Amino acid sequence: GDSVTQMEGPVTLSEEAFLTINCTYTATGYPSLFWYVQYPGEGLQLLLKATKADDKGSNKGFEATYRKETTSFHLEKGSVQVSDSAVYFCALHQGGSEKLVFGKGTKLTVNP
Amino acid sequence: GAVVSQHPSRVICKSGTSVKIECRSLDFQATTMFWYRQFPKQSLMLMATSNEGSKATYEQGVEKDKFLINHASLTLSTLTVTSAHPEDSSFYICSARDARAPQETQYFGPGTRLLVL
Repeated sequence: GDSVTQMEGPVTLSEEAFLTINCTYTATGYPSLFWYVQYPGEGLQLLLKATKADDKGSNKGFEATYRKETTSFHLEKGSVQVSDSAVYFCALHQGGSEKLVFGKGTKLTVNP
Repeated sequence: GAVVSQHPSRVICKSGTSVKIECRSLDFQATTMFWYRQFPKQSLMLMATSNEGSKATYEQGVEKDKFLINHASLTLSTLTVTSAHPEDSSFYICSARDARAPQETQYFGPGTRLLVL
């Protein structure tokens, strides 16, 4: 079945550091790919998405590019802030299904 | 934007009692709602998918008699944890799909923290 694999956390960075959170997927066909963010004590919010190969999703300084050849959708940010501390989930959606398939989440802590 | 609310945000109950959690779509009609359980170390587990007016579809390993799901209207789904036990303590999150939006679009509620003593 379809699956998403994220890098194990937790990740701890200093403010203004560069962030990469790796995400790879296994799926048949051409799924849509997502990054969701969960701030402490809250539900999930959509951060960005890409629906086809080579698309780049971006939001709030975060970016991720849909790479079909490497089945990857790595999340990057050039300069993180303390307010970016949260759990980040990579997910995929397969056309014809109602479900999202989530990775296990990566906890990011940014220190001042 | 689309908003999903959950009530209560936090509940503490005694072992053996039942607890009902509500999930509401505030500004759209949700033909499908999803219930997730979040375990320590943040892993999310889909428990069930509910469609308005029909029985919920439970994921493998989820006890449907323990986790009763009702989706009686296009804006409300409820999850009832029956005869709760300490191992049911968790963070429960719902999401809703707007029928007008692309199929992959889910709007998430803020979650409900359940603690069973």
